Amino acid sequence: SQKIEQNSEALNIQEGKTATLTCNYTNYSPAYLQWYRQDPGRGPVFLLLIRENEKEKRKERLKVTFDTTLKQSLFHITASQPADSATYLCALDGDYGQNFVFGPGTRLSVLP
Amino acid sequence: DAGVTQSPTHLIKTRGQQVTLRCSPKSGHDTVSWYQQALGQGPQFIFQYYEEEERQRGNFPDRFSGHQFPNYSSELNVNALLLGDSALYLCASSREGRGSGETQYFGPGTRLLVL
Repeated sequence: SQKIEQNSEALNIQEGKTATLTCNYTNYSPAYLQWYRQDPGRGPVFLLLIRENEKEKRKERLKVTFDTTLKQSLFHITASQPADSATYLCALDGDYGQNFVFGPGTRLSVLP
Repeated sequence: DAGVTQSPTHLIKTRGQQVTLRCSPKSGHDTVSWYQQALGQGPQFIFQYYEEEERQRGNFPDRFSGHQFPNYSSELNVNALLLGDSALYLCASSREGRGSGETQYFGPGTRLLVL
């Protein structure tokens, strides 16, 4: 069955450092991989999408890499701020017939 | 633009009861997906509606059913509620069904507690 793992349940880093979150998957052939942010009690908010033929995508302080050989995506937040503290979810989106699948999430805490 | 709206925000039911949750998609969106999110876990895909038909379904029993109306709004119905159905139910809208890589916009969710 399809399985997505995110590197850890929780990650604590110091303000100003780069946070790196990992998403690994098995038994899936995604056409796209997406990253979302979710704050407590709220719905997920879309951050970035990367296609299977793209290696890297950037948006402001965010960077996503996608390695379909390793079946892994890395999500980086540079110059992290306390306001970046949230749960980050990766999600796989395949061709028609494959369901949209979320990972369990990583709870990031940026300490001032 | 109001974005995706869901009602009610919170709901308390007892085992065996039935519940209906509602979702209005973002303006311009024609596809609605429903997710169940248990505490501390990622959202789990229930099903997706496009052109008033269930287009895809996740690993959920038939107690979970839905409907999409001509104005693209949608309902999620859960029959014979179990304690394990307690969760945050999220609705997400997007354009043009699946496989297009379209971004999903999520509503705030409905928190369901089954006692």
